[in-house]
Amino acid sequence: QSALTQPPSASGSPGQSVTISCTGTSSDVGGYNYVSWYQQHPGKAPKLMIYAVSKRPSGVPDRFSGSKSGNTASLTVSGLQADDEADYYCSSYAGSNLAVFGGGTKLTVL
Amino acid sequence: QVQLVESGGGVVQPGGSLRLSCAASGFTLSGYAMHWVRQAPGKGLEWVAVIWYDGTEKYYADSVKGRFTISRDISKNTLFLQMNRLRAEDTAVYYCSRDRDWGFDAFDIWGQGTTVTVSS
Repeated sequence: QSALTQPPSASGSPGQSVTISCTGTSSDVGGYNYVSWYQQHPGKAPKLMIYAVSKRPSGVPDRFSGSKSGNTASLTVSGLQADDEADYYCSSYAGSNLAVFGGGTKLTVL
Repeated sequence: QVQLVESGGGVVQPGGSLRLSCAASGFTLSGYAMHWVRQAPGKGLEWVAVIWYDGTEKYYADSVKGRFTISRDISKNTLFLQMNRLRAEDTAVYYCSRDRDWGFDAFDIWGQGTTVTVSS
């Protein structure tokens, strides 16, 4: 159950787009379309932003989008806003009735 | 509205036990798989355990297998995590979370978390 690999940090100016990667293996990210993304503000609980690789729950702005290629999933935040500054975590089903998270990426809005 | 509220956290000595509770409202546990996810201080999220919507299946992360037990009381619409033989590395905020669909789809509802500190 190794954690998925995310860059520790990412940044962008207001209005710009930023993409966060999440790299796993063929046993997790590459093997299933059960990749999800979570936003976590300091001291708060995580919030589901993307599920099933690219689907948005009701209420999540369409500025947030997800994709996957091979063993790497990506979250793109377009039209960056100040409130997007937060930690972002990816997660994937890892087979054998286990789930795994990424180490998290701190997104800074410059 | 749909809500999860955890309780039961606290300070416990290494080797001790603690039981966490997660009260659900706005939906019934019998319709959803439920998870526990934890976050050590300053660290990332770690999946801990899941119980199937019908309670028939339970699965655990290797780090807690044999020490932690997930369960639920449908009559009280409450999820539990019994934690035994606690270690310093179990220190974390523990979140309960609802699965969006079949069991390992996505974590769509989260509680506010309860803090567990294992220290002598």
